[in-house]
Amino acid sequence: KNEVEQSPQNLTAQEGEFITINCSYSVGISALHWLQQHPGGGIVSLFMLSSGKKKHGRLIATINIQEKHSSLHITASHPRDSAVYICAVSPPRQYSGAGSYQLTFGKGTKLSVIP
Amino acid sequence: NAGVTQTPKFRVLKTGQSMTLLCAQDMNHEYMYWYRQDPGMGLRLIHYSVGEGTTAKGEVPDGYNVSRLKKQNFLLGLESAAPSQTSVYFCASSYRRRAGELFFGEGSRLTVL
Repeated sequence: KNEVEQSPQNLTAQEGEFITINCSYSVGISALHWLQQHPGGGIVSLFMLSSGKKKHGRLIATINIQEKHSSLHITASHPRDSAVYICAVSPPRQYSGAGSYQLTFGKGTKLSVIP
Repeated sequence: NAGVTQTPKFRVLKTGQSMTLLCAQDMNHEYMYWYRQDPGMGLRLIHYSVGEGTTAKGEVPDGYNVSRLKKQNFLLGLESAAPSQTSVYFCASSYRRRAGELFFGEGSRLTVL
């Protein structure tokens, strides 16, 4: 089973700061997901990527397949970015049966952005 | 534009009671999932479905049953609730098996006393 580690576990930033959240995993994957969960709220998919880099507004996600590592960057952070950010990985293409449906989730990074 | 809707959002049960959580999606997705989220742990897959009429066990299926009689609905049942099933439950759907974007519901907070 894949092991997904996120760092840091908790992060406090001043409004306007550049933020980086890291995710590493232990075995090959078919895709990596970045999710956002606001306090008491649902979970929203931010990015799904299998190579390179994606950008959406102030959020940028990168992945290095060789190093089994992904980063989520937030530029010009804002208090509304305060949330838990979760990394999840989809199993590699050679997996079959139940294992092919089972994403592995990190424990999340809790971000607090202070005005 | 409802997406994925879960009901109820909150529920308190006594040990031994039964209940059903309903998940409905309006995106015509084939794949649907039930997860539980517990403090200090990542989301864990309870059961999943790859299409109408099909269900399968995930990582932590014990104590739960599911049904997918209609493509848009995925039901999660607890026949005899236990305190260990106190958790937040999330339903999700996707259009592809491996690398499909996941769409989550708002979550259902269940407390078993």
